[in-house]
Amino acid sequence: GESVGLHLPTLSVQEGDNSIINCAYSNSASDYFIWYKQESGKGPQFIIDIRSNMDKRQGQRVTVLLNKTVKHLSLQIAATQPGDSAVYFCAENYNFNKFYFGSGTKLNVKP
Amino acid sequence: EPEVTQTPSHQVTQMGQEVILRCVPISNHLYFYWYRQILGQKVEFLVSFYNNEISEKSEIFDDQFSVERPDGSNFTLKIRSTKLEDSAMYFCASDRGEEPQHFGDGTRLSIL
Repeated sequence: GESVGLHLPTLSVQEGDNSIINCAYSNSASDYFIWYKQESGKGPQFIIDIRSNMDKRQGQRVTVLLNKTVKHLSLQIAATQPGDSAVYFCAENYNFNKFYFGSGTKLNVKP
Repeated sequence: EPEVTQTPSHQVTQMGQEVILRCVPISNHLYFYWYRQILGQKVEFLVSFYNNEISEKSEIFDDQFSVERPDGSNFTLKIRSTKLEDSAMYFCASDRGEEPQHFGDGTRLSIL
């Protein structure tokens, strides 16, 4: 899972398996959350977002779960593909238009 | 799909020199941002800009930094007197408000 700090945890999964990436966010007042994917040499790419009035949101092959009680966010990727290999960041917003990023989790998909 | 574009992709500058990083946000976006990512670390917010003025800035964004929207399309970040610790990837982002920010692919700034 992900934690604030300089360490970059790595999650290795087999192609076709489901992936779960976790994030512990810092501020209980945060009301909007985004998962970003960052490939090498690229900027963060939006995957899915969720507001604090929801606890689950689904996209195409991705699901975000929000547990406000323990300030925890997770990203589930179904049927993980090699193209999903990247660093995944969660970002929280509690100050209008100012996002705070976690330090990321590297997802390595083995063919 | 429209995207945020940043130039140059890599900037090498001598310590103490001024550097300007350039961004062209998505055309109908209203809010503009700069972020920094030191190698191997998290993405850090620097500044947000709306209606031709700074709306938020972080403690990183000190007097050495400035932003400008000189015309209807460009959004620039200037570092007046660069330091070694300014070496990082600098990302520009934009949005229309109340929605996810769209990021450019960044400028790698290397200070020698």
